Parts: sequence; structure tokens; C-alpha cells
Amino acid sequence: GENVEQHPSTLSVQEGDSAVIKCTYSDSASNYFPWYKQELGKRPQLIIDIRSNVGEKKDQRIAVTLNKTAKHFSLHITETQPEDSAVYFCAARNQAGTALIFGKGTTLSVSS
Amino acid sequence: DTGVSQDPRHKITKRGQNVTFRCDPISEHNRLYWYRQTLGQGPEFLTYFQNEAQLEKSRLLSDRFSAERPKGSFSTLEIQRTEQGDSAMYLCASSMYLETQYFGPGTRLLVL
Repeated sequence: GENVEQHPSTLSVQEGDSAVIKCTYSDSASNYFPWYKQELGKRPQLIIDIRSNVGEKKDQRIAVTLNKTAKHFSLHITETQPEDSAVYFCAARNQAGTALIFGKGTTLSVSS
Repeated sequence: DTGVSQDPRHKITKRGQNVTFRCDPISEHNRLYWYRQTLGQGPEFLTYFQNEAQLEKSRLLSDRFSAERPKGSFSTLEIQRTEQGDSAMYLCASSMYLETQYFGPGTRLLVL
């Protein structure tokens, strides 16, 4: 079945710096890759997603890139702010369109 | 609030007792998913429904777990003869077919 690896597990940056989180997936049939942000004690919330027919997608300070050949995708956050501090999860969904398979998460800390 | 809701938010039970959780999805969503999240991990898929039909179950869903969605609206997840290893956050999500999955706030279960 699908497996998603996520790195790094923790990431500390200074306010204003960029942050990059990387994920790899195993199922070449996967065609949808969302990123969720989860603040302490809160529900996971979608921040951006990308489908397999697109190589890059951007939404203000957040961008996601996808390399289907290498089976990896990355989240890029520019001009980080303290409120970006949270746990970020990548996920992949296979072509069957059933479950999301999540990575183990990256704890991002942005210090001011 | 028209988002996904879950009840109860917290549940403490003794080992061997049965517990039942409820999820109310976003009203027009036809798919409903159950995930389990333990500390430091991403959500793990348990099962999903399309309307009232349970279409997939993870191998994580032992025979002590049962889920229903009798009228294609709300869903219940029951755990029989709870074990300490069942302690986790149980998350519900809903979507319209293959569109974005929106998560509820979760039910945190502690088995003593």
C-alpha cells in the first residue's frame, strides 16, 4: 500500500526566513497531494493541495511542488511568521480515491 | 458552525468498557472518513463511507471496532472491550467525492 515519508520531523526558523518540508510517496498511482496544518489541540486544516497534472501551485506565501518521476513533493513557506508555528502533515491519495495516507508530520517553530 | 462536528470531544473510560463516538459531516458531503491519530503521528485511516455504504476498512480496524452511517448523514464509531492501546484522538472527515477532506475537531479517548 501507499507509504508517505516526511522530513524533517522538526524545523526551527527565524521570522522572515523560508521553510521547506519534503515528502516522498511510494504508490506511483497517487494523484492528489494535500498539506494540512494542525495547531496544538486543533483539527487538521488544509492549507494547499496539488494534483498530479500540475508541477507547482502557489497561494500567497505558500507553494507546493511535485516531481512525479521522483515521487516527491515539497511545501515551501516564505516570509515565515510566528503564527505559522504548527505541525504540518503531507498526505497522498491513490487513484482509487479512498483514504489519505499521511506523513508523520513536521513541527515548525518560527521564532521572532 | 457548518463544519464537521464530533461528540464527545473527550472520553475517559476503563479498560473493557464499550464507547461510541458520533460524527456529523458537512451536510452536502457524501463521503465520511474515520481516522485515528496518536501523539506525534499523522492521522491513520480506519474506514470510510460513501453515503450509507461502508466501502473500505483498514487492517487497523480490528473486529472490536464497528462503524455505521445508517442514513448517509451522521456516523458512529463504536469500540467494544476497549484496551489501553485504543487511547488516541479519533478524527472524522467528510468530503464531496474526491474533493477536499475537511476534518472535525476529534474525540480524544483515554482508556485507563
